[in-house]
Amino acid sequence: GDSVTQMEGPVTLSEEAFLTINCTYTATGYPSLFWYVQYPGEGLQLLLKATKADDKGSNKGFEATYRKETTSFHLEKGSVQVSDSAVYFCALVGGSGANSKLTFGKGITLSVRP
Amino acid sequence: KAGVTQTPRYLIKTRGQQVTLSCSPISGHRSVSWYQQTPGQGLQFLFEYFSETQRNKGNFPGRFSGRQFSNSRSEMNVSTLELGDSALYLCASSMDRVTAGELFFGEGSRLTVL
Repeated sequence: GDSVTQMEGPVTLSEEAFLTINCTYTATGYPSLFWYVQYPGEGLQLLLKATKADDKGSNKGFEATYRKETTSFHLEKGSVQVSDSAVYFCALVGGSGANSKLTFGKGITLSVRP
Repeated sequence: KAGVTQTPRYLIKTRGQQVTLSCSPISGHRSVSWYQQTPGQGLQFLFEYFSETQRNKGNFPGRFSGRQFSNSRSEMNVSTLELGDSALYLCASSMDRVTAGELFFGEGSRLTVL
């Protein structure tokens, strides 16, 4: 079945550091890919998405490119802020029709120090 | 626009009891899906409802059930609670089927089973 693998965490960075969070997936066909973020005490929010190969999703300074050849969707940000401290989830929607569902990776906690 | 509302936010039950959780989606959203979040297993899909019909179900035992009402509000029920059912239960709503992937999550109901 479909699966999403994220790098092990947690990750701690200093403010203004460069961020990369790795995500790879296994799915049949052409899934849509997503990054969701969960701030402390809140529900998940969609951060960005990409629906086909080579698409780049971007939002709030974060970017991720849908790489079909490497089945990856790595999240990057050039300069992180303390307010980016949260749990980040990579996810995909695969399957078709009634079998379609959102499959999440295990999530990774990011802490940004001032 | 009001977000996804889940009640209750916190509850404590003992083994063998049953619990009902409620979810009010964003106005106009017709799809409601449920997820179980635990530190060990991460986010796992429970089921999706669309127009009062269950459209998809995850790999959970029959003790987990749900329903959706004509106003799109949804409830999930867990009977004969086990210690392992302790988790954060998240509800998400979307305009259309979950296939679109853009879900709006509530803050969750945290269930503790003693």
